[in-house]
Amino acid sequence: GQNIDQPTEMTATEGAIVQINCTYQTSGFNGLFWYQQHAGEAPTFLSYNVLDGLEEKGRFSSFLSRSKGYSYLLLKELQMKDSASYLCAVRERGGSQGNLIFGKGTKLSVKP
Amino acid sequence: EAQVTQNPRYLITVTGKKLTVTCSQNMNHEYMSWYRQDPGLGLRQIYYSMNVEVTDKGDVPEGYKVSRKEKRNFPLILESPSPNQTSLYFCASSRDRALSGANVLTFGAGSRLTVL
Repeated sequence: GQNIDQPTEMTATEGAIVQINCTYQTSGFNGLFWYQQHAGEAPTFLSYNVLDGLEEKGRFSSFLSRSKGYSYLLLKELQMKDSASYLCAVRERGGSQGNLIFGKGTKLSVKP
Repeated sequence: EAQVTQNPRYLITVTGKKLTVTCSQNMNHEYMSWYRQDPGLGLRQIYYSMNVEVTDKGDVPEGYKVSRKEKRNFPLILESPSPNQTSLYFCASSRDRALSGANVLTFGAGSRLTVL
């Protein structure tokens, strides 16, 4: 079966670092995506991992361990505008070939 | 500007009155998909299309229909809407459904539908 878990909510302080975890169990694996979604708006792409390790993109980094079914999104130097939901999504290999399975999202609140 | 356009953005309707939410993309993308997003449930796929005249069910297709007669358009049809279809709907597209690479989904701005 498919299962993607991430915390429902997190709170952090402006200027700090926050790590949002995602664990997954899928029948096949062909890549993990992180999307950012501000309230009432469309999700927008943040990062993509298919091999183990860390991908860095400015203030945002994403890590993947395929053997552990685990990823995290690291946000540094938090800004108020980072308050949003962060969606972890896994692309499966196999039957539904390439469709993304989304987690329920983590709502991050950044406080002054 | 490369984008996915959905209409209407907001709609209040009544049970049983057929409606269509349009979706159009200008990126020549092959793959298009519809999702609904509900509090506590996240994004769930309704239908998807790999190319013209090719559509398939996602995780929650009941009560919905789609068509893909042209590459750019992928309308979502609710033949007889019911209150449990009250939701925020997103259309999305990507270059293709290739099994490699950062084949990113581009989302429309969303359509908030209320069925009374």
